[in-house]
Amino acid sequence: QLQMQESGPGLVQPSETLSLTCTVSGDSITRSSYYWGWIRQPPGKELEWIGSIFYSGATYYNPSLKSRVTISADTSKNQFFLRLSSVTAADTAVYYCARRQVGHGVDVWGQGTTVSVSS
Amino acid sequence: DIQMTQSPSTLSASVGDRVIITCRASQSVNSWLAWYQQKPGKAPKLLIYKATGVESGVPSRFSGSGSGTEFTLTISSLQPDDFATYYCQQYNSYSEGFSFGPGTKVDIK
Repeated sequence: QLQMQESGPGLVQPSETLSLTCTVSGDSITRSSYYWGWIRQPPGKELEWIGSIFYSGATYYNPSLKSRVTISADTSKNQFFLRLSSVTAADTAVYYCARRQVGHGVDVWGQGTTVSVSS
Repeated sequence: DIQMTQSPSTLSASVGDRVIITCRASQSVNSWLAWYQQKPGKAPKLLIYKATGVESGVPSRFSGSGSGTEFTLTISSLQPDDFATYYCQQYNSYSEGFSFGPGTKVDIK
């Protein structure tokens, strides 16, 4: 059964870079027609799509975050990563990694990890 | 960016009620719309994809309709497990971002 698990620091200093890892088990991130991505949810607020990496390695980012976001992958470890630079308190959120098939919704989610931006 | 709106923002209903939630997009997203259910402290769960497709394992009381800019999620007979927040999401174009709606909270009347 596919499982996705986020990991990374729970506290990041303002202006620093937030780095998270998603470890995937039960499926390969190189499987055709799947996107692997990041979605976040600030406390008490709506969901926000951050970006995705396609099985081919192509990346897609939320236009509003594009200048600060990098998503990459290590296929040998079946992991993909999020880097968000120059963070502020507005980046405090639960961060989810997730899978989406072409033409489909996001059908598998990690449990989420809380990241706070504070000094 | 494509902006998504939902109505109502909060809905009070009783077990057995028929519930309809509306989602509107600021421009056409064709049928590339999904619906999710989220409970407190949990990740969202996919209910509907491509506007009308019911995800495997989702009860048949959930259905979706619409295309273009207006979509609805219908729960035909509300069950105790359905009290949650519901989000729509468009996935029409990566260049426009895959935006979510603000959510509709369904609570007990």
